[in-house]
Amino acid sequence: EVQLVESGGGLVQPGGSLRLSCAASGFTFSRLWMHWVRQAPGEGLVWVSRIISDYNTARYADSVKGRFTISRDNAKNTLYLQMESLRAEDTAVYYCATGEGNYYDRWGQGTLVTVSS
Amino acid sequence: QSALTQPRSVSGSPGQSVTISCTGTSSDVGTYNYVSWYQQNSGKAPKLMIYDVTQRPSGVPDRFSGSKSGNTASLTISGLQAEDEADYYCCLNTDSYFYVFGTGTTVTVL
Repeated sequence: EVQLVESGGGLVQPGGSLRLSCAASGFTFSRLWMHWVRQAPGEGLVWVSRIISDYNTARYADSVKGRFTISRDNAKNTLYLQMESLRAEDTAVYYCATGEGNYYDRWGQGTLVTVSS
Repeated sequence: QSALTQPRSVSGSPGQSVTISCTGTSSDVGTYNYVSWYQQNSGKAPKLMIYDVTQRPSGVPDRFSGSKSGNTASLTISGLQAEDEADYYCCLNTDSYFYVFGTGTTVTVL
């Protein structure tokens, strides 16, 4: 069974840091490009970042560039998102997602990040 | 990259058809055939309903269909059912240049 399971969310103060993880199973993780997508409370889906299968090339939304770092460990079938200098507007459910083509047919259940003092 | 534009809400009675539009520009939706559509029920992860503009994944009912004309992609739900009530998002994902979702549309079954 294909599974993506996020973890690491929680309450953090403005300016703080957090690292999210996404454990993959049921498919060949190392082959696929992986993405993070977030959804603020009551708002729509927003693409955050993606990393290609060979680690090196990442892209970021302008809103997180310079503060977030995406990475992956293909040996552990795990995707990460290191988030620094967190702001209130980063409060959201963070999903990891991937697909065999230019779409997302595999999603995790999401992990909630709340940035508040 | 600005979000693709969708109507905030659409509604229809059971058995009717509804169409959700997703409008971009000639540089994104007008150029690439990588539009996908997602259904999201409250508190749940999104579910892929259509990919590559018109393709339907296995398991998705054939009452869901996709199309594109110019800078606008569309999702049509024919024979609307109560279980179709949800939020729907379009997405353009080119794996190189664009990763952008639509603003989202709430479908209400009257």
